Amino acid sequence: RKEVEQDPGPFNVPEGATVAFNCTYSNSASQSFFWYRQDCRKEPKLLMSVYSSGNEDGRFTAQLNRASQYISLLIRDSKLSDSATYLCVVIADTGRRALTFGSGTRLQVQP
Amino acid sequence: DAGVTQSPTHLIKTRGQQVTLRCSPKSGHDTVSWYQQALGQGPQFIFQYYEEEERQRGNFPDRFSGHQFPNYSSELNVNALLLGDSALYLCASSLGGRPQAFFGQGTRLTVV
Repeated sequence: RKEVEQDPGPFNVPEGATVAFNCTYSNSASQSFFWYRQDCRKEPKLLMSVYSSGNEDGRFTAQLNRASQYISLLIRDSKLSDSATYLCVVIADTGRRALTFGSGTRLQVQP
Repeated sequence: DAGVTQSPTHLIKTRGQQVTLRCSPKSGHDTVSWYQQALGQGPQFIFQYYEEEERQRGNFPDRFSGHQFPNYSSELNVNALLLGDSALYLCASSLGGRPQAFFGQGTRLTVV
């Protein structure tokens, strides 16, 4: 079983739609959680950290459910520029600082 | 403020050769991590350097080695290249124990 699992998609949505991605992680000791965005053939860029209480950044909302070991990302009012691959990222515990990535979920926003 | 820079951006090597990739971290960052990203996959952790020592290592063979210099820049060396080593190699920098990492644009290695 992969440490971090995501639906690869692609998710094809029209502009203005709301789309949600989920991610599950296997290590219950995981400490830190993030969503990264990666454009085609570019480097991953930090989109947002994910906190237990949930957090919002503009059109983006991230949620963490520790009991079920899943993380979600909600994008409201999708823009063409949101088209990218969204990577769910976990840091297993304080002793391991390596980022563990899911395989990513591809989003294509269509006009 | 320069971000994370990597060189070269693209590289083509032959099976069995050796390659060295370079990374300069973001200004003020002291920790460098290397990742391998195969096509269609998420990045996989190779190793992390802090204070010129390998602090943590992922599930990669000894053909993969690295170094960190006093100015925090880093090199990734891969010996005896295999076709399967073809990938995007990403360097990420961070500050000490902080979890947020910033990535360079990557080096795309093709082994033929």
